[in-house]
Parts: sequence; C-alpha cells; structure tokens
Amino acid sequence: DTAVSQTPKYLVTQMGNDKSIKCEQNLGHDTMYWYKQDSKKFLKIMFSYNNKELIINETVPNRFSPKSPDKAHLNLHINSLELGDSAVYFCASSQQGLVHNEQFFGPGTRLTVL
Amino acid sequence: QKEVEQNSGPLSVPEGAIASLNCTYSDRVSQSFFWYRQYSGKSPELIMSIYSNGDKEDGRFTAQLNKASQYVSLLIRDSQPSDSATYLCAVNIPGSGGGADGLTFGKGTHLIIQP
Repeated sequence: DTAVSQTPKYLVTQMGNDKSIKCEQNLGHDTMYWYKQDSKKFLKIMFSYNNKELIINETVPNRFSPKSPDKAHLNLHINSLELGDSAVYFCASSQQGLVHNEQFFGPGTRLTVL
Repeated sequence: QKEVEQNSGPLSVPEGAIASLNCTYSDRVSQSFFWYRQYSGKSPELIMSIYSNGDKEDGRFTAQLNKASQYVSLLIRDSQPSDSATYLCAVNIPGSGGGADGLTFGKGTHLIIQP
C-alpha cells in the first residue's frame, strides 16, 4: 500500500561506478521529482518530471540522468559516482494543478560512495 | 536567490506546552507553503499546507501565514514526545515548471519535547 516507493533503500558502491535508483508511485499523480538531502540534512530539488517530460533540471552534474518510462515511474541513473554524491535521495510525487503542488515523498535511498 | 530560512534549533519544549516554529521566505511570488515533519532516518511527511493569509488548524497543528511579512509559522499544541523531530518549512515558488515546480526547503528546526 506504499504510495511512493523507492529501491534500493541502501546503496553502497565504489567511486567511478554507475548506479540506478528506482521510484514508483501509485497515487495516480502526473508529476514526479528527485530531491537530494546532504549530510547537513538540506533538502534540494534536482529534477521534476511531468507526464514523462523533464520540466525542471536544477544545477546538477550531467552525470545524473532521470528517466521516466511512464508517469508512475521515475528512475535516477548516476554515472561515474563521486564521493560528493553520497547523500539520501528522495523521490516525490504530486498532481499538477491540484491542491497547490502538495508533494509526497518516498522512503529515500541512502547512497554511500567509497 | 530563492531562500527559506528557519532557526535550526534545537528548540526544547516541555511536554504539554505549545511549540512554535517559524519560517521566513525571500521570494514574494511564493504561493504555497508547507510544513513537513522528518524523523531521524525517515522521509519528510507532509503535516500542514497553507495558501492564504491567516490561520489554518488541523487537530493539534495550526499553520499561520503572513504574506506581507513573508512569514509562515507552525504551532503544535499539547506537545507530545512523539512530536520530537525536525520540522521542514517548504515553499512553492512558481517558476518555469508550470505547476510542476520543485519545493524550496528551509534547513529545518530540530524540535525536542521534554517529558
């Protein structure tokens, strides 16, 4: 019954590797997001996708690429991982035009780059 | 620069008292305002949203918005130890996203309810 789910919950990998994080929502929302929460707990938007179209791409390295196969899924692929990529990544979803963009978050993926 | 400011705390409040959390924002075109609660190691959970000036009450929570002062607050009445968490203020600033904009978050206030 989880509304927004992410896999994996934990990801430990070496520098230079490529990894993906998956997100799925069953709320029927049409907009999904990726946020990054750093070690100081600051939560910052990375990407916004609406109906499979990239809407917002904040200043993130192009090693990060979001991919949306359909409006219920938004995956995050990261190439050539760096130490500074270590953080918790949250997926969120909302319904555009409804209730002023209330966003609901997934459980997060804690990425550790060694 | 879009900014949302919160006192990081910790804010310590005795059980049963009112906890008052404050947030200011810099962008006057901000339209929607949210309070999220985040327990350690967990994801942000939406607890209140407010869009118009004034107060909005939901159970023990009251959100207050003053757009002229660019100020939003959250009051928690009858504070319980389970309210101990980090409270994140978030603002929806309309931009190029056409309603699919990301939220701008403050750094959060760490609230401790003392039994």
